[in-house]
Amino acid sequence: DTGVSQDPRHKITKRGQNVTFRCDPISEHNRLYWYRQTLGQGPEFLTYFQNEAQLEKSRLLSDRFSAERPKGSFSTLEIQRTEQGDSAMYLCASSFSGGGMGEKLFFGSGTQLSVL
Amino acid sequence: KQEVTQIPAALSVPEGENLVLNCSFTDSAIYNLQWFRQDPGKGLTSLLLIQSSQREQTSGRLNASLDKSSGRSTLYIAASQPGDSATYLCAVPNSGGYQKVTFGTGTKLQVIP
Repeated sequence: DTGVSQDPRHKITKRGQNVTFRCDPISEHNRLYWYRQTLGQGPEFLTYFQNEAQLEKSRLLSDRFSAERPKGSFSTLEIQRTEQGDSAMYLCASSFSGGGMGEKLFFGSGTQLSVL
Repeated sequence: KQEVTQIPAALSVPEGENLVLNCSFTDSAIYNLQWFRQDPGKGLTSLLLIQSSQREQTSGRLNASLDKSSGRSTLYIAASQPGDSATYLCAVPNSGGYQKVTFGTGTKLQVIP
């Protein structure tokens, strides 16, 4: 169990540019979640995958956001035409659902995005 | 809509003190409740998971309790240490999964040596 990995840790970009973040979940986990967190707030749900299927998207996820999880392994979150309001910590989390032991969520260290 | 409140927002205690962090939620139809720790600029680390049918969970110096009927959970930290300094958040999913989850805004704890 190597934990959830996110890359990059920090990203500074200019308004209007596209950015892509990567998340590698814990290998046996079938669920993968993306959250966004701003300073002083708790994380807010963006989207989640059950294996390779994207099952739900929050209303926070505008058309400029897209997420993929090819083959049910790693996931990418892309933001097109970034805006200053996109500046936040983007957190990835994974869990195993179906084991009957309760679903425990494991987070990565996050990607801190700053849009100038 | 689920609302999760954590009180106090910040807490400063001397090393060695026992302390209690509170988490209140408005909708008792919860799936489970999970307590997390977050260090500055980092992700969240899971501390304790309490199933909706359980009343408490313990891990080392940490003990979490759950009272669904009153919409409350507490995190008890015994013999606090400077390394416990962090923000503590509770998460309340309302379904079988964390897509419908509400996080509290956290309690920022500082343990003074």
